[in-house]
Amino acid sequence: DVKVTQSSRYLVKRTGEKVFLECVQDMDHENMFWYRQDPGLGLRLIYFSYDVKMKEKGDIPEGYSVSREKKERFSLILESASTNQTSMYLCASSFPDRWSGYTFGSGTRLTVV
Amino acid sequence: EDQVTQSPEALRLQEGESSSLNCSYTVSGLRGLFWYRQDPGKGPEFLFTLYSAGEEKEKERLKATLTKKESFLHITAPKPEDSATYLCAVQARSGGYQKVTFGTGTKLQVIP
Repeated sequence: DVKVTQSSRYLVKRTGEKVFLECVQDMDHENMFWYRQDPGLGLRLIYFSYDVKMKEKGDIPEGYSVSREKKERFSLILESASTNQTSMYLCASSFPDRWSGYTFGSGTRLTVV
Repeated sequence: EDQVTQSPEALRLQEGESSSLNCSYTVSGLRGLFWYRQDPGKGPEFLFTLYSAGEEKEKERLKATLTKKESFLHITAPKPEDSATYLCAVQARSGGYQKVTFGTGTKLQVIP
């Protein structure tokens, strides 16, 4: 069964910590994405990548960075976690044409205290 | 700015009671419209892609349709297992990047 795997379902971190969220896909997808999902705001794109070592800013990149050293792995980094980064984080991947839609991971519920 | 609005925010149906969910959109250069299903605590699951006005797609009790301004997700004789949040998303060209904008979803509850 093809899938996108996010390393943690739940995380609790302290303000100011550096946080790493890992995402791995086994579908040989070129495109990978990081979204956050908040009630009433829907899914908002943080960063995306079309290829290894390539990254592009999405709609809300402030306070985040990403790394894509291998095709199957896309990491989201919170440089200095803040309480307003408490959210559900979703990783997704797709083929370049995207007509088959995105495949999402199960999400990481991050709480920053 | 691209906008996607879904209505209603929440919908409660009796089992077998058919209804429709609405997704209205304002985008420049629509490339495609997507429907996803999201169960609590999980990531969205892809259902359909619609490319042009007049197109329809079906899957079990679900049928998606598209016009130039909106899409409908029709649910025929729903069952409790259809309870979920249904998300609509549109893909448009924004510069060199094909931007995808999501709506906030319709939370569907089907009562036995």
